[in-house]
Amino acid sequence: EDKVVQSPLSLVVHEGDTVTLNCSYEVTNFRSLLWYKQEKKAPTFLFMLTSSGIEKKSGRLSSILDKKELFSILNITATQTGDSAIYLCAAEAIIQGAQKLVFGQGTRLTINP
Amino acid sequence: DTGVSQNPRHKITKRGQNVTFRCDPISEHNRLYWYRQTLGQGPEFLTYFQNEAQLEKSRLLSDRFSAERPKGSFSTLEIQRTEQGDSAMYLCASSPRQGGSSYNSPLHFGNGTRLTVT
Repeated sequence: EDKVVQSPLSLVVHEGDTVTLNCSYEVTNFRSLLWYKQEKKAPTFLFMLTSSGIEKKSGRLSSILDKKELFSILNITATQTGDSAIYLCAAEAIIQGAQKLVFGQGTRLTINP
Repeated sequence: DTGVSQNPRHKITKRGQNVTFRCDPISEHNRLYWYRQTLGQGPEFLTYFQNEAQLEKSRLLSDRFSAERPKGSFSTLEIQRTEQGDSAMYLCASSPRQGGSSYNSPLHFGNGTRLTVT
């Protein structure tokens, strides 16, 4: 059965700290790994990772994929209170033409001032 | 706002009633997805449309659930004889078809419809 596991499930840090969120996956027909940020509404897209070892960066956020070990990490440096959210990892499989996402439970990140 | 639009935002219903949700995808997106998210969990795949054709349904989608996309644009998700276990956030997402078998565009999610069954 396809599964995605995120850790930790919850993390509380102080503003300015650096955090690393983990995601491991076992998905057949795997194509890519996606990270989303979810506050109170829709998950908003952060990164799509298709190749191993190539870091993607967007401001203070960065992510990398290891297709051999089947995991990905999301790093956030110099955290701010606005980074507080649930971070979702999803493994994408292409099945009958559909981009099917298998999500992890999410990591609830809380940044205290 | 040209994002994915879902209505209503919230729905409270009594057990046994039928409910229908609507999703308007981004206009040029021909792929449309329904996901369900319960508290403390990530979204779970329910069903997928390419244009008007429903190509895949999860086993999570019981006989009480039906989804349509009659003209290949907006989609509706109906739940008949609702149960308390149906309480969840129902998310719609869309993505474009980019020629051939390219899947380089991520899914774009709507804000969801939060269903509460009392």
